[in-house]
Amino acid sequence: SQTIHQWPATLVQPVGSPLSLECTVEGTSNPNLYWYRQAAGRGLQLLFYSVGIGQISSEVPQNLSASRPQDRQFILSSKKLLLSDSGFYLCASPRASLWGYGYTFGSGTRLTVV
Amino acid sequence: AQSVTQLGSHVSVSEGALVLLRCNYSSSVPPYLFWYVQYPNQGLQLLLKYTSAATLVKGINGFEAEFKKSETSFHLTKPSAHMRDAAEYFCAVSDRRYNQGGKLIFGQGTELSVKP
Repeated sequence: SQTIHQWPATLVQPVGSPLSLECTVEGTSNPNLYWYRQAAGRGLQLLFYSVGIGQISSEVPQNLSASRPQDRQFILSSKKLLLSDSGFYLCASPRASLWGYGYTFGSGTRLTVV
Repeated sequence: AQSVTQLGSHVSVSEGALVLLRCNYSSSVPPYLFWYVQYPNQGLQLLLKYTSAATLVKGINGFEAEFKKSETSFHLTKPSAHMRDAAEYFCAVSDRRYNQGGKLIFGQGTELSVKP
């Protein structure tokens, strides 16, 4: 079955520092991958999605970037973090099932920028 | 393009009362619709999903939702609330072309509080 691993689970970073969050997928090949962010008191916002290696689409302009160096690896980065980058980051991927399809989510990374 | 609107960012019910969380969607193609629950400090858990089969969908923990195309709604209900249902609930929509870059678009979430 499809599993998504995210790390770290929690992260506290100072303003202006770089960021690298990693997401890896097991149990499938050539998955579509997504990065979502949940800011405090707000819903889940789609940040980036990727349909394959080196293919990244950005949904909203921001201080973040994403890369897909390998088929099952999706990385979220920033060169200089802002306070507004704080939030809960989720990696997700759709999966086929007997009932159509659903989405698998990683356990998330809670980022606090101080 | 798809979008989701959840009416009410906070809903409070008494234990044993009906839970009704509202979700309206917009989609240019027949949608797939989902409800997810997020317990404090945890990730997302799928409650139920609509994928063009029966319009009344039953999920886990006694929740169900009804797809009403004429109203573009997918409201989540539970006949009797339990304290453990206190969480944040997200409605989401996706188009069918998930293997061509289809995306899951979320509503802003509704926080459910259950009073004893």
